[in-house]
Amino acid sequence: DTEVTQTPKHLVMGMTNKKSLKCEQHMGHRAMYWYKQKAKKPPELMFVYSYEKLSINESVPSRFSPECPNSSLLNLHLHALQPEDSALYLCASSQGLAGGREQFFGPGTRLTVL
Amino acid sequence: QKEVEQDPGPLSVPEGAIVSLNCTYSNSAFQYFMWYRQYSRKGPELLMYTYSSGNKEDGRFTAQVDKSSKYISLFIRDSQPSDSATYLCAMSALPGTYKYIFGTGTRLKVLA
Repeated sequence: DTEVTQTPKHLVMGMTNKKSLKCEQHMGHRAMYWYKQKAKKPPELMFVYSYEKLSINESVPSRFSPECPNSSLLNLHLHALQPEDSALYLCASSQGLAGGREQFFGPGTRLTVL
Repeated sequence: QKEVEQDPGPLSVPEGAIVSLNCTYSNSAFQYFMWYRQYSRKGPELLMYTYSSGNKEDGRFTAQVDKSSKYISLFIRDSQPSDSATYLCAMSALPGTYKYIFGTGTRLKVLA
């Protein structure tokens, strides 16, 4: 099973709202990622968790707050977002023993900020 | 110069054609190479993964890596309208980096 699941599929929020995106994998992967993807652009890395510790933060604004409660779950907490944050948010995972291994993506959450 | 270059297309081919998709890269440290297929408004789907140089075949798909030329290719045989999607190449350097560098993606249209 190479499935990464994400909820919700779609999310519409106002600039003052607080919401969370959720990601889950049961492949035993120890590295999990958040990407942001705008239309007709490649995925843009936001955060990497390795063995449940934040190992990469690509200078993402603090209105995005990641959390890794356990090795299977990854959350992205959203607060005071801007309309330009509207995008497809993708979660991915890979084996944690060595970077560069196969990376599997979830279906994404399409976020619209009004 | 971008680390990974990929022609954005669109590339239009008739059904049944052999499709060749390519990426070039500048970082000779890249060792891990992936091809993803992404349908509109969906997450990328991993098609092929190769380590170092050589060929890998899986059904109608063949991935080639030429590290001496810093060039990777994905071939699709007997292309189908359902292959119409954006194809992204991605690559990574040494183990432990956890950073994957993506090409911009090539839009493919297979015409029935």
